[in-house]
Amino acid sequence: EVQLVESGGGLVQPGGSLRLSCAASGFTFSSYWMHWVRQAPGKGLVWVSRINSDGSSTSYADSVKGRFTISRDNAKNTLYLQMNSLRAEDTAVYYCARGWDRYFDYWGQGTLVTVSS
Amino acid sequence: QSVLTQPPSVSGAPGQRVTISCTGSSSNIGAGYDVHWYQQLPGTAPKLLIYGNSNRPSGVPDRFSGSKSGTSASLAITGLQAEDEADYYCQSYDSSLSGWGYVFGTGTKVTVL
Repeated sequence: EVQLVESGGGLVQPGGSLRLSCAASGFTFSSYWMHWVRQAPGKGLVWVSRINSDGSSTSYADSVKGRFTISRDNAKNTLYLQMNSLRAEDTAVYYCARGWDRYFDYWGQGTLVTVSS
Repeated sequence: QSVLTQPPSVSGAPGQRVTISCTGSSSNIGAGYDVHWYQQLPGTAPKLLIYGNSNRPSGVPDRFSGSKSGTSASLAITGLQAEDEADYYCQSYDSSLSGWGYVFGTGTKVTVL
């Protein structure tokens, strides 16, 4: 059974940093692209970032480019999102999702990030 | 940030058929990129409902169906059930002069009367 479990969310002040993790199991993690998607409270889904299967290629939404860094450790079956210079508008539930052919076939349960003073 | 437009809400009585539209443009759906649909039950993570315009993952009831034409796509739910009350999102891929990326619809709340 495919499982994605996010962790690392919490309350952080504007300008602060946070690192999210996503532990994967039930599939060959190193064979799949992985993504982060976020959802602000009461709002819709927004794609944030993706990384290819061996970690050699990444891309980001314009809203986070230069502030967020996606990475992965295939030996640990874990996906990461380093978030720096956080803003109030980054407040959201962050989901990790497995990618397949330009869609997301499995999602984690999400972790809440709140940016507030 | 949503470049795919959906109606904010649709409703229907149990057993009825409802449809949700997803309108894009020539840089996403109209460019030939597939449309996918997700169901988000209250307080839970999104779940893949339809992929590749009209394909259902294993375990998704055949009450759910998808289609695509031109710059738009649609999700139909026939024989509406109480457990179908949820938010539904379409998703595609967008490629334009300003860049590319994965795009979602604005979301539609389905209410079972």
